[in-house]
Amino acid sequence: EAGVTQFPSHSVIEKGQTVTLRCDPISGHDNLYWYRRVMGKEIKFLLHFVKESKQDESGMPNNRFLAERTGGTYSTLKVQPAELEDSGVYFCASSYGTGLSTDTQYFGPGTRLTVL
Amino acid sequence: AQSVTQPDIHITVSEGASLELRCNYSYGATPYLFWYVQSPGQGLQLLLKYFSGDTLVQGIKGFEAEFKRSQSSFNLRKPSVHWSDAAEYFCAVVPGSGGSNYKLTFGKGTLLTVNP
Repeated sequence: EAGVTQFPSHSVIEKGQTVTLRCDPISGHDNLYWYRRVMGKEIKFLLHFVKESKQDESGMPNNRFLAERTGGTYSTLKVQPAELEDSGVYFCASSYGTGLSTDTQYFGPGTRLTVL
Repeated sequence: AQSVTQPDIHITVSEGASLELRCNYSYGATPYLFWYVQSPGQGLQLLLKYFSGDTLVQGIKGFEAEFKRSQSSFNLRKPSVHWSDAAEYFCAVVPGSGGSNYKLTFGKGTLLTVNP
């Protein structure tokens, strides 16, 4: 069974440009999560999808970030325009259950975003 | 707000030596507790988790962790480290009240180096 995949693995962009990160969850997982790790800091929750619906986007830093999950399969996270402080590693995770705290979240390898 | 502290940013051990990685949490009630590991180029992999019951939990790859309520700790241990254990280790919690509170709160991680 394929795990959670993320693309690209690494992206380097200039401040002000747009970047789109993609996450493909494990097949059959209705729950999809985005997390971010800024250098030197903890991994922090960004948002949670249940199928195609945003269940919780309380961790999104500002309106420059837009997440979508069309059709309830893969998800994209767009940053527009990117700022220096957006640099970090963006992780995607998915889980099979109903979005409970006891569901195991399976993580992808992350996308390392560098904004110059 | 809940928080997780991993006091050791970087630990170096010799292959075959024992290992203990520390994790303390701050939360009003007993949370659910997790240890994840990230090897280079890989996603975060769940090592073990604690919800309730026996306070000594066994995980994959020969790891175990002990929950100590009085110390608000959930330390990870391995009796004999292998070179392949070199990775970054993350302690994480979610509120233990159950329900749909799935947002993992992570510590900053501990990077483990294993010397031959």
